Amino acid sequence: GDSVTQKQGQVTLSEDDFLFINCTYSTTTYPTLFWYVQYPGQGPQLLLKVTTANNKGISRGFEATYDKGTTSFHLQKASVQESDSAVYFCALVEGNTGKLTFGDGTVLTVKP
Amino acid sequence: DPKIIQKPKYLVAVTGSEKILICEQYLGHNAMYWYRQSAKKPLEFMFSYSYQKLMDNQTASSRFQPQSSKKNHLDLQITALKPDDSATYFCASSQQGNTEVFFGKGTRLTVV
Repeated sequence: GDSVTQKQGQVTLSEDDFLFINCTYSTTTYPTLFWYVQYPGQGPQLLLKVTTANNKGISRGFEATYDKGTTSFHLQKASVQESDSAVYFCALVEGNTGKLTFGDGTVLTVKP
Repeated sequence: DPKIIQKPKYLVAVTGSEKILICEQYLGHNAMYWYRQSAKKPLEFMFSYSYQKLMDNQTASSRFQPQSSKKNHLDLQITALKPDDSATYFCASSQQGNTEVFFGKGTRLTVV
């Protein structure tokens, strides 16, 4: 079945540092890929969506590129802020459904 | 204003009892879902409904029963509760055929 792997359980940075969160996936087709962000006490919120048609997503300074060769979808941001502290989930969906497969999440802590 | 309303926010239940988690969405979506988040599995798909009909069920136990009385409602009935059912349950929705899924704030269930 489908799977998503986020190897980094926790990332701690200082403000203005560069962010890189690793995500790789495994499916039998070319899925749509997502990054969701979850703040304390909230549900996951869609941050980025990328399909095979557009390859790259950019939102709120975050960007991720769909790499079919390495089956990766890493999240990057040039300069993080304390307000970016949250849990980040990589996810995929096959077809046009809402059945998402999530990675285990990466807890990002940004120190002032 | 929250567009996906989940009630209650917190719920404590006794082992063996039955509870109903409420979900209403005001996004005009015709597909609704339940996801579960626990320490064992950060975000896990449970059910999907489209036009009030069950489309997919990834929950092994029949103790979990979704109920859709209106097209913007999808409640979750859980019977014979076990401590292992303790988790945060998220309701979500999307437009059928669109992969962008929106989540509610969740109901945190604790079974003692």
